[in-house]
Amino acid sequence: GEQVEQRPPHLSVPEGDSAVIICTYTDSATAYFYWYKQEPGAGLQLLMSVFSNVDRKEEQGLTVLLNKKDKQLSLNLTAAHPGDSAVYFCAVSLHTGGADRLTFGKGTQLIIQP
Amino acid sequence: GGIITQTPKFLIGQEGQKLTLKCQQNFNHDTMYWYRQDSGKGLRLIYYSITENDLQKGDLSEGYDASREKKSSFSLTVTSAQKNEMAVFLCASSIAQTNTGQLYFGEGSKLTVL
Repeated sequence: GEQVEQRPPHLSVPEGDSAVIICTYTDSATAYFYWYKQEPGAGLQLLMSVFSNVDRKEEQGLTVLLNKKDKQLSLNLTAAHPGDSAVYFCAVSLHTGGADRLTFGKGTQLIIQP
Repeated sequence: GGIITQTPKFLIGQEGQKLTLKCQQNFNHDTMYWYRQDSGKGLRLIYYSITENDLQKGDLSEGYDASREKKSSFSLTVTSAQKNEMAVFLCASSIAQTNTGQLYFGEGSKLTVL
């Protein structure tokens, strides 16, 4: 089945710097790609979703890049601030509808140093 | 907006005990999920349900039972708690036909087995 590797597991950057998190997946038929954010004591919140026909998507200081050739998905937080400190998960899915069988990465603990 | 409510937030049990976690959603979503979150292991799907009285096994269903009593509620039972069952259990829901990966998560139930 689908495997998702996420790196790094921990990342600490100064406020104002960029932070990059990378995921690699194994199934070339993967159609949907997601980034979720989990703040302490809370559930996961969807940050961005990308379909496989999109290479780049930007929203509110976040950039998602999809490299289908290398089966790699990345999340770039530009000008990070302390409120970005959280655990970030990538997730991928083969399905177009019905129950979303997402495969999650193991998460990245991001700390933004004030 | 809607909300997912998980009860209890913290559950302490004895080894071998049968323990039940409950989840309620008022989004009127068709599909509900139970995930287990272990530190450094990401999220793993235990059970999901696409409609009332439906149950589908996930990747980690052994040792668990689930019940979708009505559309708004989905419960998970640990059939015999083990020492290594210390984890956070996350309930989520989504509309039936979504390709956005928009799962809505509860805040989690933390299980500790003594």
